[in-house]
Amino acid sequence: DGGITQSPKYLFRKEGQNVTLSCEQNLNHDAMYWYRQDPGQGLRLIYYSQIVNDFQKGDIAEGYSVSREKKESFPLTVTSAQKNPTAFYLCASRTGETEAFFGQGTRLTVV
Amino acid sequence: AQSVTQLGSHVSVSEGALVLLRCNYSSSVPPYLFWYVQYPNQGLQLLLKYTSAATLVKGINGFEAEFKKSETSFHLTKPSAHMSDAAEYFCAVSDLVEAAGNKLTFGGGTRVLVKP
Repeated sequence: DGGITQSPKYLFRKEGQNVTLSCEQNLNHDAMYWYRQDPGQGLRLIYYSQIVNDFQKGDIAEGYSVSREKKESFPLTVTSAQKNPTAFYLCASRTGETEAFFGQGTRLTVV
Repeated sequence: AQSVTQLGSHVSVSEGALVLLRCNYSSSVPPYLFWYVQYPNQGLQLLLKYTSAATLVKGINGFEAEFKKSETSFHLTKPSAHMSDAAEYFCAVSDLVEAAGNKLTFGGGTRVLVKP
């Protein structure tokens, strides 16, 4: 089945630690996106990539980094510079003006 | 820049009653518009989309939405609410300008509570 897979589903981070969230798609979509979701704030765009080896900052990129070495993969690293990383993270992909397809999300908690 | 406003962060309806979720957008170009539904701790699922064809769009689970250019609105309706409709709903607009990355911009979401 085609789709987007995010892992892990739950992730715990200690203060000062970097963590990487995985996002893989087998839909052959060109564009991939990372969103952060906080209660009552909707979805805010962190980073997006339209093609391999290229990506752009979204509205809240500070404290995050990404890579796009393969079309299928768009991992997100939450660095220690992100002071409030506890949130629900959603990865999405799309091609052209079609709808975006979403993964099931990763819930990150700082402990 | 494009933006989306969803009026009402919470809506409570009785089972069997009309569901109406409001969405207004701003966009400098003809938009593509979407409604998504999210159940707790899950990703977003597409309900329906407007892509410049018919202005009345039918989606899954009995939902429909009407695009009104003059009002810059894309409100979501369902004639009769079911308990399974309890979820959070997001309206989104797509920027079709290539240089802007075909981004989807989301509204703040509306959480629907269905009372028996």
